[in-house]
Order: sequence, then structure tokens, then C-alpha cells
Amino acid sequence: AQSVTQLGSHVSVSEGALVLLRCNYSSSVPPYLFWYVQYPNQGLQLLLKYTSAATLVKGINGFEAEFKKSETSFHLTKPSAHMSDAAEYFCAVSDGRDSWGKLQFGAGTQVVVTP
Amino acid sequence: ETGVTQSPTHLIKTRGQQVTLRCSSQSGHNTVSWYQQALGQGPQFIFQYYREEENGRGNFPPRFSGLQFPNYSSELNVNALELDDSALYLCASSLPQSTDTQYFGPGTRLTVL
Repeated sequence: AQSVTQLGSHVSVSEGALVLLRCNYSSSVPPYLFWYVQYPNQGLQLLLKYTSAATLVKGINGFEAEFKKSETSFHLTKPSAHMSDAAEYFCAVSDGRDSWGKLQFGAGTQVVVTP
Repeated sequence: ETGVTQSPTHLIKTRGQQVTLRCSSQSGHNTVSWYQQALGQGPQFIFQYYREEENGRGNFPPRFSGLQFPNYSSELNVNALELDDSALYLCASSLPQSTDTQYFGPGTRLTVL
């Protein structure tokens, strides 16, 4: 069975600083990995996904993530935080093609951006 | 093209009652998944429907049931509501050829008193 662990339930960053959100996964098969963002009172929006192609994945809003099999990690980064990045971020995993749409989510990381 | 819509937005029920939540998938999407997101937690997979058939289920009791209609819209039914059922219920739909990308609706906030 697959699972993800997000390190840090809350992260505070200054505007313009690096955003780094950590995600480690556990999967018995090559995983498909996702990062979603949730703004207050809204559903989830896909930021980016890894589906066994390039290990460095670029997403929307300047975010990117790198799949590292040796570290079982899929950390999310953005070089320069913007006030609009304040939201909750979720890492998710599925077991691949047979499990598409059946995602296992982490507990989430709340990002606060300070001026 | 309209996105995924859910109704109602908010709902208050009492323990023991039954509730039906509705989801209209994005145009052309024949796969719908339902998730429960308790306060302060990540979403938990309830079940998925594909072409009107249940296609996988998470660790939820049978009192959580669903339907998918020929137009691919979907319902989530919960019987004998418990206090712990209070959560945001999210619906997500995906294209037949790209089920790794899901589009989420805004959710229905259910409060059980």
C-alpha cells in the first residue's frame, strides 16, 4: 500500500524567499506522485505530477518538484515566494495506471507568506 | 466549458439522518472519485465510479454509497450519519484517456450535530 508523509504542518516564508515543502512516499510499485494546492473554501488544484517521465517536473505558478527514488522523496520548491502562494499544499501518491484517481494524500502543509 | 460543480455548498444534519451529495463532472469526464477531508487533514479516498460502476473503494463502511448516472454526474449517499462524518466532501472527475489528472470541485461542507 502506498502512503505519503509531509514534513511540517506549517511553513512560514518571507515574500521573495525560497519555498520548500517536503514529501516522502512509500510505495510497493513505481509511484505516480502529485502536488495539489488548496486555497480557503476551494477545492484542490493540481500543481504538478510525476508519472515516470522526467524526474524534474515543472508545474504551474513557478513551482517544480524533483523525484528522487533513492530518497523516496518528491519535494516541492519555488525560488521566490509570492503573497498569493499562501495556501495549503498536499502531496499525493497513486500506485500507477490501475490506481489512477485513487489518490493517497498527505496531511498537508499550510504555507504562510510574510511581507 | 464548465468545471466540476457540487451541491449543496453547505449542509447541516443531525446524527442518524441520511444525506445525499451531488457532483456534476466536467464535460467529457467519465470517471468520478469522491474524497472526505476532515478538518486539518488531507483528503481520504472514498470510492471511484467509472461508466456507472464502482471502480475501487477506500476504507469506508457500506453506509457510504454512491451512484453515477449516464451523463456521468454522481451522488454520494451517507446513511446513519455520525458526528465523525462532519467533513468537506470533494468530488473529482477525469478524462477517459488521462485519469492521472483529476479536476476537483469546490466541495460540500457537511456538519453533523
